[in-house]
Amino acid sequence: EAGVAQSPRYKIIEKRQSVAFWCNPISGHATLYWYQQILGQGPKLLIQFQNNGVVDDSQLPKDRFSAERLKGVDSTLKIQPAKLEDSAVYLCASSSDRGSYNEQFFGPGTRLTVL
Amino acid sequence: GDSVTQMEGPVTLSEEAFLTINCTYTATGYPSLFWYVQYPGEGLQLLLKATKADDKGSNKGFEATYRKETTSFHLEKGSVQVSDSAVYFCALNDQGGKLIFGQGTELSVKP
Repeated sequence: EAGVAQSPRYKIIEKRQSVAFWCNPISGHATLYWYQQILGQGPKLLIQFQNNGVVDDSQLPKDRFSAERLKGVDSTLKIQPAKLEDSAVYLCASSSDRGSYNEQFFGPGTRLTVL
Repeated sequence: GDSVTQMEGPVTLSEEAFLTINCTYTATGYPSLFWYVQYPGEGLQLLLKATKADDKGSNKGFEATYRKETTSFHLEKGSVQVSDSAVYFCALNDQGGKLIFGQGTELSVKP
């Protein structure tokens, strides 16, 4: 079974530029998560999708971050304009809706550096 | 809100030493608890989990017991190997299903 795919793996941009990240979850997984992991900290949820609907985006900085999940499969996360403090690893995870506990499977992440 | 606190690193041990990484949590309700591991250059992987009080999760020689009375989920291994060098994250899932992580503990095992 293929894992969660993310691209690009690395991105370097100047502040005030825009950037987009892509995630392809495990086939059949209904729930998709985007986490932000700042160096030296644990991952923090930005947004959670159930199929193509948003379940939780309470910690998404909506003035600059946006995310969508088309057709309940792939997802993109966009930052516009980027700030220095957005430098982090952006992790995508997915889980199925079967069973009492839905393990989250993580992709390799996209490391963003904002200069 | 819910939170997880784990001991700060880095932790440096010699091969075959005993490992303990402390983790305590604050939560409403009865969350499931997890340890994730992040090896150098790789993504987060679930190491073990416990879904209710007194459950013991175990995997690859690591163990952790869900202690409701002390709100703790300490990670232990009796004899670490160089290949265990990684960053370890304690986490809980809140009522909405999202994971709340501690800050991570870097473990370095020397031969």
